[in-house]
Amino acid sequence: DTEVTQTPKHLVMGMTNKKSLKCEQHMGHRAMYWYKQKAKKPPELMFVYSYEKLSINESVPSRFSPECPNSSLLNLHLHALQPEDSALYLCASSQAQGSHTEAFFGQGTRLTVV
Amino acid sequence: AQSVTQPDIHITVSEGASLELRCNYSYGATPYLFWYVQSPGQGLQLLLKYFSGDTLVQGIKGFEAEFKRSQSSFNLRKPSVHWSDAAEYFCAVVAIHGSSNTGKLIFGQGTTLQVKP
Repeated sequence: DTEVTQTPKHLVMGMTNKKSLKCEQHMGHRAMYWYKQKAKKPPELMFVYSYEKLSINESVPSRFSPECPNSSLLNLHLHALQPEDSALYLCASSQAQGSHTEAFFGQGTRLTVV
Repeated sequence: AQSVTQPDIHITVSEGASLELRCNYSYGATPYLFWYVQSPGQGLQLLLKYFSGDTLVQGIKGFEAEFKRSQSSFNLRKPSVHWSDAAEYFCAVVAIHGSSNTGKLIFGQGTTLQVKP
């Protein structure tokens, strides 16, 4: 199983809503990532968890709150988002941290903030 | 700082023609390089990777890439393009983040491939 599963596939939320994006992998990977991708742009790293600990936070606004409950799950909690936060949110996982970061990506959650 | 440049924003080729997508990287040490493909609204799929060894690497869907250290390049090739290859292609290099020894992917801006029938 080389799959990273993201739910939901699409999400529309108001600026006062609270929602969560979920990501799951069963490949035994110990590093998990959140990326944000705007249209016609490459993915931009937001967060990295390594062995369930937050390893990298790329100065992401606090309205995005990541959580890694266990080695297979990664959540992204959303609160008080802005319309400019509308994007494709991609989750990825890799076997370990370090240079050999062959990352497997999920299909993404298309988020629209209204 | 590590960076990846994909000089071609958009490329159009005829079905059955050969393809080469360019990628140049900037990295102080031995780079770990990847090519990913993304269909519209989808996630990224790994086509191939280079860590070490043979500089010509084979990937899925008939793609190959050649690592040339002297030119800091990792160009993607395919001898005969199929209509289903139309997609966005990203070249990426792994950068190690500070003291955490955590790797993160640095992506190029991407190349949009259009295939003419």
